[in-house]
Amino acid sequence: EAQVTQNPRYLITVTGKKLTVTCSQNMNHEYMSWYRQDPGLGLRQIYYSMNVEVTDKGDVPEGYKVSRKEKRNFPLILESPSPNQTSLYFCASSPGGETQYFGPGTRLLVL
Amino acid sequence: GNSVTQMEGPVTLSEEAFLTINCTYTATGYPSLFWYVQYPGEGLQLLLKATKADDKGSNKGFEATYRKETTSFHLEKGSVQVSDSAVYFCALSDPPGGTSYGKLTFGQGTILTVHP
Repeated sequence: EAQVTQNPRYLITVTGKKLTVTCSQNMNHEYMSWYRQDPGLGLRQIYYSMNVEVTDKGDVPEGYKVSRKEKRNFPLILESPSPNQTSLYFCASSPGGETQYFGPGTRLLVL
Repeated sequence: GNSVTQMEGPVTLSEEAFLTINCTYTATGYPSLFWYVQYPGEGLQLLLKATKADDKGSNKGFEATYRKETTSFHLEKGSVQVSDSAVYFCALSDPPGGTSYGKLTFGQGTILTVHP
């Protein structure tokens, strides 16, 4: 089944404790993105990647890191999480940069 | 830069009512336009899209027409069902070669609740 998977689905952590949210797609898509969803703000792009080893900042990259060492994986790293990073995070992939396919989401709470 | 504005919700309707959710956008050139739907507890799913002016996207009884002259992409459905209850997002993307190609710019989302 073609899909985008994210782990974990739910995470509670404390300020400053490094964490990684994994994202994997099995559709051989070149484009992958991370978004955060906050009430009243819709989804905002954090980072995106056009291919292996090619990444670029989105609208809200501060406090996040990404890497793209393999085509299928695009982990999101929070080196020192803060409470303002409490949010619902979505990974997405796309064959050509337009229509995007979303994962189920990761709900993060930073205390 | 690009931006998308959706009508504020929440929208509450009775089953079989007519639905319109307004969406207008600001962008240079000819972006591609999308409606995504998010059911409770799930990720976003593409509902429909249109890639050029006057195109009509349609799926599951929903439709939206790309209106360049009014920079709009309003979502409509003639008869809603309880199962249509979800959050609906309007979004746009630059075409290939555009500075924001590969990035979706979203509206804030509209919560739709349909009662039996």
